[in-house]
Amino acid sequence: DGGITQSPKYLFRKEGQNVTLSCEQNLNHDAMYWYRQDPGQGLRLIYYSQIVNDFQKGDIAEGYSVSREKKESFPLTVTSAQKNPTAFYLCASSATENTEAFFGQGTRLTVV
Amino acid sequence: GQNIDQPTEMTATEGAIVQINCTYQTSGFNGLFWYQQHAGEAPTFLSYNVLDGLEEKGRFSSFLSRSKGYSYLLLKELQMKDSASYLCAVIDSNYQLIWGAGTKLIIKP
Repeated sequence: DGGITQSPKYLFRKEGQNVTLSCEQNLNHDAMYWYRQDPGQGLRLIYYSQIVNDFQKGDIAEGYSVSREKKESFPLTVTSAQKNPTAFYLCASSATENTEAFFGQGTRLTVV
Repeated sequence: GQNIDQPTEMTATEGAIVQINCTYQTSGFNGLFWYQQHAGEAPTFLSYNVLDGLEEKGRFSSFLSRSKGYSYLLLKELQMKDSASYLCAVIDSNYQLIWGAGTKLIIKP
């Protein structure tokens, strides 16, 4: 079955540690996105990529990094520079920029 | 700036009809999406409007007026499983997706 997979669903880390969230899709989509969702707020774009080996900063990229070495994979690293990393992180992909986005199950990151 | 407004929360009764409104002010327009999101889960696609008018899909319909910067999602024959947040998102002139904060819909028996 085609889809987009994020792992893990829940993640705990100590303050000051970097952590990488996985996102894999087998939908053959060119575009991939990382969003952050906080209670009572809309989705905020962290990074997006429209093609392999290229990515762009979104609205809240500070403290995060990504890579797009393969079409299927778009991992997100939450670095120690991110001041408030505890949040629900969603990865998405779409065939083009103006087609529906398919979301992974999300990763709830808690930094203690 | 770019802005999308939705009511924060709405309550409706099982079996009834509810309309969730979305108004937007964006730099250009290339389409509008509605997504459903149950608590703690990922959003799932409901509808896409790019031309004015009503799009019907089963119990759910979505309407768009580009001149008014306005859309609504209409849910008929409400079921308890429809309790969720409903997110409105607009594609702007740069093909960036701008998200509203979502409307939490509470269904009561």
